[in-house]
Amino acid sequence: EDQVTQSPEALRLQEGESSSLNCSYTVSGLRGLFWYRQDPGKGPEFLFTLYSAGEEKEKERLKATLTKKESFLHITAPKPEDSATYLCAVQARGKGAQKLVFGQGTRLTINP
Amino acid sequence: KAGVTQTPRYLIKTRGQQVTLSCSPISGHRSVSWYQQTPGQGLQFLFEYFSETQRNKGNFPGRFSGRQFSNSRSEMNVSTLELGDSALYLCASSFGLARLKQYFGPGTRLTVT
Repeated sequence: EDQVTQSPEALRLQEGESSSLNCSYTVSGLRGLFWYRQDPGKGPEFLFTLYSAGEEKEKERLKATLTKKESFLHITAPKPEDSATYLCAVQARGKGAQKLVFGQGTRLTINP
Repeated sequence: KAGVTQTPRYLIKTRGQQVTLSCSPISGHRSVSWYQQTPGQGLQFLFEYFSETQRNKGNFPGRFSGRQFSNSRSEMNVSTLELGDSALYLCASSFGLARLKQYFGPGTRLTVT
């Protein structure tokens, strides 16, 4: 069964203090790994898709990387507006076109 | 381009009732997926529709059903509501089966009393 585990569950940082969020996954065949950001009371907002080990993508202060077993979301010099829950999800090959399996998320708080 | 819209945004129902939620995908998107989000279970896949056909279904009881119309709009229905059905129901759309990126709507917050 496809599974996604995110750590830590919650992370509190000071503004400017860089860190990384982890997403470990097991999937029969990875079609894609996704990172989303979710603010309270809102739907997830798409950040990145990674397709194969070694791939990296960047957007402003965020950088996502992928290995065969895990993905990291690196946050460089975060600001208070980066506070949100970050969700990781995987999509497996050959198991329905669009089904995403999500982790429980990491709740990130950036203190000014 | 307008995003995914869901109606209603908030809903309060009583145990035993049924409810219908609606989702309008981004214009041009033909695939719609539904997810249930709860504090305990996180985001869980309900079902996916493409061109009015259910392509995939998650591990939910038969009380949960859905459909998609020719204009790609989708509805999901929950019959005989239980307290445990209280959740945020999210709809996501994508262009087609080959396009992996899914865009989520704001969700419908369902409370069952």
